[in-house]
Amino acid sequence: GAVVSQHPSRVICKSGTSVKIECRSLDFQATTMFWYRQFPKKSLMLMATSNEGSKATYEQGVEKDKFLINHASLTLSTLTVTSAHPEDSSFYICSARDQGAYGYTFGSGTRLTVV
Amino acid sequence: GENVEQHPSTLSVQEGDSAVIKCTYSDSASNYFPWYKQELGKRPQLIIDIRSNVGEKKDQRIAVTLNKTAKHFSLHITETQPEDSAVYFCAPRDSSYKLIFGSGTRLLVRP
Repeated sequence: GAVVSQHPSRVICKSGTSVKIECRSLDFQATTMFWYRQFPKKSLMLMATSNEGSKATYEQGVEKDKFLINHASLTLSTLTVTSAHPEDSSFYICSARDQGAYGYTFGSGTRLTVV
Repeated sequence: GENVEQHPSTLSVQEGDSAVIKCTYSDSASNYFPWYKQELGKRPQLIIDIRSNVGEKKDQRIAVTLNKTAKHFSLHITETQPEDSAVYFCAPRDSSYKLIFGSGTRLLVRP
């Protein structure tokens, strides 16, 4: 079945640095990638939607200059958390949609800890 | 945008009993209604889904019912087992193809 590989699974970074998270679709073309953030014991909150080759669309309240999303190819999308702060510590998950399919494939998630 | 409400937030049942979780949504254009199970630190796992042209779907001990008029759909788990203990999310798809997650239901199945 469809697989999305997400890396890294865990990352610890210092305040003020940037972190890049990658999601690759391994056996299908991810025409759309969704990025979610999940705080402990909370739900998945949609941050942004990206379509291959175009700018990402951000949900209300999400800073586009802080969370940079690139979807340069049909198999790779990246989320860069810039100038990270402790409050950015969270579980980040990507979800890919193949235009021809009904379902969504989730990455395994990235646990970001900012110290 | 889509507003999603999920109830209850926690549910404790005895092993073998049934569990029902309900989700309401606001976008009348929604046409895809999945339920996900998430274990601690893991990705959400699709357990069952239903499309808008169907009122009910069943897969062994799991079923989903949809009432499009009332804009709600429910997850039914029968003969619950301890391994069913997890957090369950509804995530109706809105008209922009985004999955909007409910607040989650923590299910505990007591042996």
